[in-house]
Amino acid sequence: QQQVKQSPQSLIVQKGGISIINCAYENTAFDYFPWYQQFPGKGPALLIAIRPDVSEKKEGRFTISFNKSAKQFSLHIMDSQPGDSATYFCAAGFRAAGNKLTFGGGTRVLVKP
Amino acid sequence: GAVVSQHPSRVICKSGTSVKIECRSLDFQATTMFWYRQFPKQSLMLMATSNEGSKATYEQGVEKDKFLINHASLTLSTLTVTSAHPEDSSFYICSVGTSGYEQYFGPGTRLTVT
Repeated sequence: QQQVKQSPQSLIVQKGGISIINCAYENTAFDYFPWYQQFPGKGPALLIAIRPDVSEKKEGRFTISFNKSAKQFSLHIMDSQPGDSATYFCAAGFRAAGNKLTFGGGTRVLVKP
Repeated sequence: GAVVSQHPSRVICKSGTSVKIECRSLDFQATTMFWYRQFPKQSLMLMATSNEGSKATYEQGVEKDKFLINHASLTLSTLTVTSAHPEDSSFYICSVGTSGYEQYFGPGTRLTVT
């Protein structure tokens, strides 16, 4: 019930291409879905987040698409750059659980120049 | 977002000793902080939720007597790993919970137990 499944585990994309990472969840009580970016040896940084009352949110080159009926959400990185090479984590949370987050397994993205 | 610091960034200790890690919220009064551990190439695993002025809430399987958490002020939470063993070697990361849903993470502390 608390799992968040993330795919793929790793991704290689050419500079300028689109990186797409998918997540699926089980618990319909989740009502907050953030994405985090983590560089090696650093803490995760909040990238973008969405609530289930909207189907899409865009911030710069990063877009979250959310499908409530399918219990899936995805991150699209447009015009991928070598500096985007990092590990990306999706997560899900809900207020009744004290805003605790359940994280997906992570996706290592490598953008080739 | 909130700015979070951790100290130390790296620590090496001998097996059987205790290590304290500090997590500070630099620009936000945090009633709730979270402690995670992360093994190499793995995801973040929540260890406990730290609430200012009250006892921490530990996740299932986390030994509360081994991982002591103190949240004595709105800007400081500490994690003490007691009687550390090599299997406790990991990357420990704290986060600050805001009044909304957001969590902002510290830079992490690399613990190596020899």
